[in-house]
Amino acid sequence: SQQGEEDPQALSIQEGENATMNCSYKTSINNLQWYRQNSGRGLVHLILIRSNEREKHSGRLRVTLDTSKKSSSLLITASRAADTASYFCATDSGGYQKVTFGIGTKLQVIP
Amino acid sequence: GAGVSQTPSNKVTEKGKYVELRCDPISGHTALYWYRQSLGQGPEFLIYFQGTGAADDSGLPNDRFFAVRPEGSVSTLKIQRTERGDSAVYLCASRTGGSSGANVLTFGAGSRLTVL
Repeated sequence: SQQGEEDPQALSIQEGENATMNCSYKTSINNLQWYRQNSGRGLVHLILIRSNEREKHSGRLRVTLDTSKKSSSLLITASRAADTASYFCATDSGGYQKVTFGIGTKLQVIP
Repeated sequence: GAGVSQTPSNKVTEKGKYVELRCDPISGHTALYWYRQSLGQGPEFLIYFQGTGAADDSGLPNDRFFAVRPEGSVSTLKIQRTERGDSAVYLCASRTGGSSGANVLTFGAGSRLTVL
């Protein structure tokens, strides 16, 4: 089962523009993470935000978390062609270490 | 090793055959996860090991799927009587142990299984 649902499912932008992806989840969480996946193989961790945090930055990435709305957003500023990939949010909750992924947003950055 | 290693990277088999997929996690990582990913979908949780024991196997779709981790390091995902619907990329991930809540996973490149 998928916990998160990303929106939009596909996004196409010009290089230099900002890309915003959203994630909604169903149950209360401990942490929310964002991962990137190139060419359908292994995922790479980008950033983690804890349930008591509202915003976090890492380089060109900005993540927000609204636990009252059970949603998160990932902003990539000044996008590059190399940012073309699929992006997934992932959550873990309760006392369990199970990490559950959403369905992903496919981002295309056009040079 | 330096990263999570999965073998084989590609496996083509016939319907009804038995398949084993291997995952070698990062040295010292006590937690190991298996996911299955179909085309255009997100990774679907299958099973999670803490040490040698399966802490959560709620994602295994049926009793044809089984996973072991006998020495708390390498894990093998076993699929019996494969069906065409089992075709997917099988991803393995590992992380350090503990209950800090920071479940940051390091993934392998995956094993692509095709059942003809």
